[in-house]
Amino acid sequence: DVKVTQSSRYLVKRTGEKVFLECVQDMDHENMFWYRQDPGLGLRLIYFSYDVKMKEKGDIPEGYSVSREKKERFSLILESASTNQTSMYLCASSPAGRRTQHFGDGTRLSIL
Amino acid sequence: GDSVTQMEGPVTLSEEAFLTINCTYTATGYPSLFWYVQYPGEGLQLLLKATKADDKGSNKGFEATYRKETTSFHLEKGSVQVSDSAVYFCALSGNDYKLSFGAGTTVTVRA
Repeated sequence: DVKVTQSSRYLVKRTGEKVFLECVQDMDHENMFWYRQDPGLGLRLIYFSYDVKMKEKGDIPEGYSVSREKKERFSLILESASTNQTSMYLCASSPAGRRTQHFGDGTRLSIL
Repeated sequence: GDSVTQMEGPVTLSEEAFLTINCTYTATGYPSLFWYVQYPGEGLQLLLKATKADDKGSNKGFEATYRKETTSFHLEKGSVQVSDSAVYFCALSGNDYKLSFGAGTTVTVRA
């Protein structure tokens, strides 16, 4: 089974802090994605990556950046956390050329 | 751009009732269509999918048929159980392999 592991289930940070959310997948997938989930809005794509060192902006990249130094790891960075970034963050991966994505359990992030 | 519209919830049902969640989409080309499920406190799991027109996806008693003429992918289950209580998301993926999601429908099944 594909395993996508997010480093924290719950995280509390303060406004202005730099926040790192880590995601690791164990199936050698080329594609990795970061979403945020908010009630009534579904999941919205923040950033994605089709390969190591590559990154592409999704629909809501403002206030976020990403890093993909190794194939299995995709990090989401909140450069200066703000209260409107309080949300559930979900990481996903998929093999190259395949559309089915596999999700981690999510990180519920609260910015105080 | 691609978009998905699904039935708003919440939906509350009794055990053994029939469940339908409507989903329609807008997309160019020939997208793949998905239903994902999120149980309380968990991430998303793939429930079923369909990759071309008239395909029927099925899993755990749930079914959905890819209807290109009506741009729809409605989810159905004939007899729900308490364990089916979850949030259900309709999604599509186009040629860029990104997923576009609907807003999600919360389903609660009472014993």
